[in-house]
Amino acid sequence: ILNVEQSPQSLHVQEGDSTNFTCSFPSSNFYALHWYRWETAKSPEALFVMTLNGDEKKKGRISATLNTKEGYSYLYIKGSQPEDSATYLCAFSSASKIIFGSGTRLSIRP
Amino acid sequence: NAGVTQTPKFQVLKTGQSMTLQCAQDMNHNSMYWYRQDPGMGLRLIYYSASEGTTDKGEVPNGYNVSRLNKREFSLRLESAAPSQTSVYFCASSVDPGPSLLNEQFFGPGTRLTVL
Repeated sequence: ILNVEQSPQSLHVQEGDSTNFTCSFPSSNFYALHWYRWETAKSPEALFVMTLNGDEKKKGRISATLNTKEGYSYLYIKGSQPEDSATYLCAFSSASKIIFGSGTRLSIRP
Repeated sequence: NAGVTQTPKFQVLKTGQSMTLQCAQDMNHNSMYWYRQDPGMGLRLIYYSASEGTTDKGEVPNGYNVSRLNKREFSLRLESAAPSQTSVYFCASSVDPGPSLLNEQFFGPGTRLTVL
C-alpha cells in the first residue's frame, strides 16, 4: 500500500518567523513529487513539481527540496506572512498512481 | 480562460437518488481527474482519464461512474447516492497524459455534495 505522510498535521507560527514541514513518500516507482497550496474556500494551486533527486525549487519566500532515495521532501517558508495561512498538500506520482497526503495546516499569528 | 469549471457548486440528494457532476477545462489538457475530499483526509482519486477516450479507476471508484465526453469534458455519475458519498468533489486536469504527472494539476472550484 502506497502511503504519503505529511507532518506536522497543523502548525501555528508567529508572523515573521520561518518554518518548514515534511512530506514522506515511497522511494520506489517515483515519477514526481508535487506541492500544492490550498486556501480555505478555494481550490488547490500548484507550488512546485519536482522530479530529480536533489531538486531544489524556489518561489519567492517558499522553497522545497527533494530526496527520492530516502523518500522525503521539505517545504520551507521564510519570514511567514498572514497570507501564507493555508493547507499545504504534497502528492506522490508514480507510473500508475497519484496519491495525496492529508496536508499540513499552517496558521500565521500576526 | 476559465480554467477548470465544475457544476453544480452545491447539491443535496436523498439516499438512492442519482446525479451527474460536470467538469470542463479549456486548456487543451490531455488528462482529467475526479477527487473527493473528506475531513482529515487528503484528496483521494476516484477516477481519471489519461487521454480522450480512456478512463481508469483510482483509489476509491466504488459507487461512481465516469464519462470522458470529449477532450474538454469529464463527468462523474453517482447512480444510487449513499450518505458515505457526502463529500467535496474536485475535478482537475493536466497537460500530461497522467497519472504519472511531471506537470502540475489545475483544480476546479469543487462541488459540495450532501446525501441525506
